[in-house]
Amino acid sequence: GAVVSQHPSRVICKSGTSVKIECRSLDFQATTMFWYRQFPKQSLMLMATSNEGSKATYEQGVEKDKFLINHASLTLSTLTVTSAHPEDSSFYICSAIRTGSTDTQYFGPGTRLTVL
Amino acid sequence: LAKTTQPISMDSYEGQEVNITCSHNNIATNDYITWYQQFPSQGPRFIIQGYKTKVTNEVASLFIPADRKSSTLSLPRVSLSDTAVYYCLVGDEEVSGGYNKLIFGAGTRLAVHP
Repeated sequence: GAVVSQHPSRVICKSGTSVKIECRSLDFQATTMFWYRQFPKQSLMLMATSNEGSKATYEQGVEKDKFLINHASLTLSTLTVTSAHPEDSSFYICSAIRTGSTDTQYFGPGTRLTVL
Repeated sequence: LAKTTQPISMDSYEGQEVNITCSHNNIATNDYITWYQQFPSQGPRFIIQGYKTKVTNEVASLFIPADRKSSTLSLPRVSLSDTAVYYCLVGDEEVSGGYNKLIFGAGTRLAVHP
């Protein structure tokens, strides 16, 4: 159990376009999900906390108007990178916490975004 | 300010036991200690979690002393496929819903050699 999926696994887009990344908890409900970004050879950086039915909480330095997060159901959170630029190219990873459990976060496989 | 401190890298050989120690001097009373493994271009994979003393599962053991200011992940008889980055995390500030967000440190890059 505790499987988290992400779609797409990799995406290439042109500069100025928007890209949506989906994060799904497949076999459990997740009230809380997290979005991370990871650059090559670096650690994961927390971008925002997504709670079902409410606005996401963004970490300092993360632009909420550029990285739109929607957590419309207990199994789905989406991250939309708006007006993407080459510097947004990165590995985006989501995680989910099983509703009612301990703090264990289960991570998705990640999405590789390349902006040309 | 990093909440955890781990060695940047470690080397081992197939069949050996590997122990990775993590320092978390400012761990809070309600914090759990969680270890994750990450392969390149993949999301972190949960390995083990504990609060105190010793926890063992089919993959690893986690040793936590009484003061909880450190923890040691023990991987028995490593193989080449255990080459990865290992992250030690403790809960950070509480977010809505009562869960703690996790702040990743640099992790430990383990290289297992034939």
